[in-house]
Amino acid sequence: GENVEQHPSTLSVQEGDSAVIKCTYSDSASNYFPWYKQELGKGPQLIIDIRSNVGEKKDQRIAVTLNKTAKHFSLHITETQPEDSAVYFCAVPLQSYKYIFGTGTRLKVLA
Amino acid sequence: GAVVSQHPSWVICKSGTSVKIECRSLDFQATTMFWYRQFPKQSLMLMATSNEGSKATYEQGVEKDKFLINHASLTLSTLTVTSAHPEDSSFYICSAYETGTYGYTFGSGTRLTVV
Repeated sequence: GENVEQHPSTLSVQEGDSAVIKCTYSDSASNYFPWYKQELGKGPQLIIDIRSNVGEKKDQRIAVTLNKTAKHFSLHITETQPEDSAVYFCAVPLQSYKYIFGTGTRLKVLA
Repeated sequence: GAVVSQHPSWVICKSGTSVKIECRSLDFQATTMFWYRQFPKQSLMLMATSNEGSKATYEQGVEKDKFLINHASLTLSTLTVTSAHPEDSSFYICSAYETGTYGYTFGSGTRLTVV
């Protein structure tokens, strides 16, 4: 079955620096790759996603890159701010529309 | 955008009682909803797939008689934790899939504490 690995598990950056989180998947048939942000005590919120027919997508300070050959995709956050502190999850959907989530990355932005 | 409303946001119940959690899609119809469980500092684990008008599909290891799921309409799915025990204490989250889109919308979660 599909296996999703996410690294790092924790990440601390200074305010204004960039943060990068990477996920590796195993099923080459996967074609949609979302990233979710989860704040304490809340449900995950979709922040950006990418389909397999593009290599990069950007939305203001957030970007996602996809390398289909290597089967990994990454979340890039530039000019980090304290409100970016949260847990970030990647996900890979199975053909049955179920999601397999990564193990999560706890991002701390230090002021 | 799509909105999923989940209630209650938190609940405390006594051991042995049952608790019902509701998940509603507010501005779209959801033929499929999903229920997840999340322990502290862990990822989301899929419990079951809720299908409108039919029986839910449970993941391996999830007791269907303990976690009752009802998806009676295109906008409402409920999860009932029956005979709750302290080990059932967790964060339960639902999500809904809107036909024609790719992303799932998640509810705000329910913190269940069984004492």
